Amino acid sequence: DGGITQSPKYLFRKEGQNVTLSCEQNLNHDAMYWYRQDPGQGLRLIYYSQIVNDFQKGDIAEGYSVSREKKESFPLTVTSAQKNPTAFYLCASSPSDRIETQYFGPGTRLLVL
Amino acid sequence: QKEVEQNSGPLSVPEGAIASLNCTYSDRGSQSFFWYRQYSGKSPELIMFIYSNGDKEDGRFTAQLNKASQYVSLLIRDSQPSDSATYLCAVNPGGSYIPTFGRGTSLIVHP
Repeated sequence: DGGITQSPKYLFRKEGQNVTLSCEQNLNHDAMYWYRQDPGQGLRLIYYSQIVNDFQKGDIAEGYSVSREKKESFPLTVTSAQKNPTAFYLCASSPSDRIETQYFGPGTRLLVL
Repeated sequence: QKEVEQNSGPLSVPEGAIASLNCTYSDRGSQSFFWYRQYSGKSPELIMFIYSNGDKEDGRFTAQLNKASQYVSLLIRDSQPSDSATYLCAVNPGGSYIPTFGRGTSLIVHP
């Protein structure tokens, strides 16, 4: 069953803590993306990666880091430098032949304790 | 700054009516246009995409694109309460495969 999985569904972060959100896809998509969604807001791009071992900053990369060691995986770390991390985090991927068409995972909701 | 504008709503329609959702964009070079449906607390789901001027129909959904006027719309015929969701418009600016998302329009279909 092909798809995009994100874990955990809910994540709680303590002050000064780094946390990592998982995103895995078995769709054989080359491109992967991380977005942040705040209430009443559109999706804001954090990082994206078109190929393994390469990624680019999006519009709001400060306080976040990513890696792309495998085609299937694109984890996002929310560092302690991100002062307002509470949001809904969405991972997406797109196929190389229709790279502009994005498909989303179920999301991770990050809350600060 | 490439912008995609949507009326936040809520747009309220009775069951069985046609719901019309609109989206305008600023970049004249935009080539690809998408509509996503997002239920409360869930992730966006792609429901329609359109590349050429005119209408594209898929079941109860019709996407309409007018590049000269820089708007794209989504019509939902025979609206059902299960269509109640936020609809996000996404537009790929010219020269980029990364879409710009609007803030979404909340649709409420009441019985």
